[in-house]
Amino acid sequence: GQSLEQPSEVTAVEGAIVQINCTYQTSGFYGLSWYQQHDGGAPTFLSYNALDGLEETGRFSSFLSRSDSYGYLLLQELQMKDSASYFCAVRDGTGGFKTIFGAGTRLFVKA
Amino acid sequence: ETGVTQSPTHLIKTRGQQVTLRCSSQSGHNTVSWYQQALGQGPQFIFQYYREEENGRGNFPPRFSGLQFPNYSSELNVNALELDDSALYLCASSRTSGDNEQFFGPGTRLTVL
Repeated sequence: GQSLEQPSEVTAVEGAIVQINCTYQTSGFYGLSWYQQHDGGAPTFLSYNALDGLEETGRFSSFLSRSDSYGYLLLQELQMKDSASYFCAVRDGTGGFKTIFGAGTRLFVKA
Repeated sequence: ETGVTQSPTHLIKTRGQQVTLRCSSQSGHNTVSWYQQALGQGPQFIFQYYREEENGRGNFPPRFSGLQFPNYSSELNVNALELDDSALYLCASSRTSGDNEQFFGPGTRLTVL
């Protein structure tokens, strides 16, 4: 089957850098995505990694190591509005296309 | 906003009833995926439709079924509702089935009493 693990909560101060890790187990791995979800809102796509390495999009970066079945999301220059839940999600091609989400990491940004 | 719309916003049903939820995909998108999200959990993949055909399914029983129409809008049908079906149901569209960026609608909050 498929499984993903990420920390349940992370707290950081405004202006700081925070890293949210994700380890996964899946048989038909295509790539790793990250989504942000504010309370009461819908998930919003942040990034996708299919190959090893770092992808940078503004203040957010995402990293993937396929050999380690590991990835992380790096948020720089934290702002209060970054307080939200962050989900890693695996794109799996076993028996058709599936996107499997982790349980999410709740990020609290303090002033 | 993503341009993905869902209806209704909220719904209350009783155990054993049937429900139909609707989703209009973003313009230019031919793929729709449905997810169930319980409070405090990540979205759980139900199934994906690509050009009116189901092309991926998660670990949900057959009483969860769907349709996609020629205009790529979609329906999720749940029969014989159970209390545990109470959740937020999200649909997400993407340009094509191989595209990794999904655009989520606001969801339908289903309560089963």
